[in-house]
Amino acid sequence: EVQLLESGGGLVQPGGSLRLSCAASGFTFSTSVMSWVRQAPGKGLEWVSTFSGSSGNTYYADSVKGRFTISRDNSKNTLYLQMNSLRAEDSAEYYCAKRLGGGLYSFEIWGQGTMVTVSS
Amino acid sequence: QTVVTQEPSFSVSPGGTVTLTCGMTSGSVSSSYYPSWYQQTPGQAPRTLIYTTNTRSSGVPDRFSGSILGNKAALTITGAQADDECDYYCVLYMGSGISVFGGGTKLTVL
Repeated sequence: EVQLLESGGGLVQPGGSLRLSCAASGFTFSTSVMSWVRQAPGKGLEWVSTFSGSSGNTYYADSVKGRFTISRDNSKNTLYLQMNSLRAEDSAEYYCAKRLGGGLYSFEIWGQGTMVTVSS
Repeated sequence: QTVVTQEPSFSVSPGGTVTLTCGMTSGSVSSSYYPSWYQQTPGQAPRTLIYTTNTRSSGVPDRFSGSILGNKAALTITGAQADDECDYYCVLYMGSGISVFGGGTKLTVL
């Protein structure tokens, strides 16, 4: 069964850091393109970042560029999102998602999400 | 910066047909933007419905179909059912690894 399981969310103060993890199973993680998508409470979905499977290229939304870093450990089938200099507006449910067919166009599989709250 | 637009809300009668659209504030949507559609019920993760304009994801009933209508991408739901009542999001690929979600449409079935 294809599965994505996020962890690492929690309460953090403004300016703080947090690292999210996404454990993947049921598919060939090493060649898969993986993304993070977030959703603030009561708001819509927002693409955050993508890590290409084979090329190693990374992409970021302007709202997180320079503060967030996406990475992966193919030996552990795990995707990460290092979040620094966190702001109140980063508070959201963070979803890990597998892209379709090794491309950058569509999302195929979604995790259940992990909640990040940035507040003093 | 281009904004992806969707109707904030839409209503359909049970058994009826509804078409939700996905446009851009600048320019026309074409298949070159690889439009995709996602369904989300409150408190749940999104579910992939349609990718690359009109291909249904595995397990998605053929009541859901995607297309390009004029200068927008479209999601058509035929034979609307009560459990179709939820939020629908489109995504456009802008190139250079950038994906942009629309604001979402809240569909009511009544």
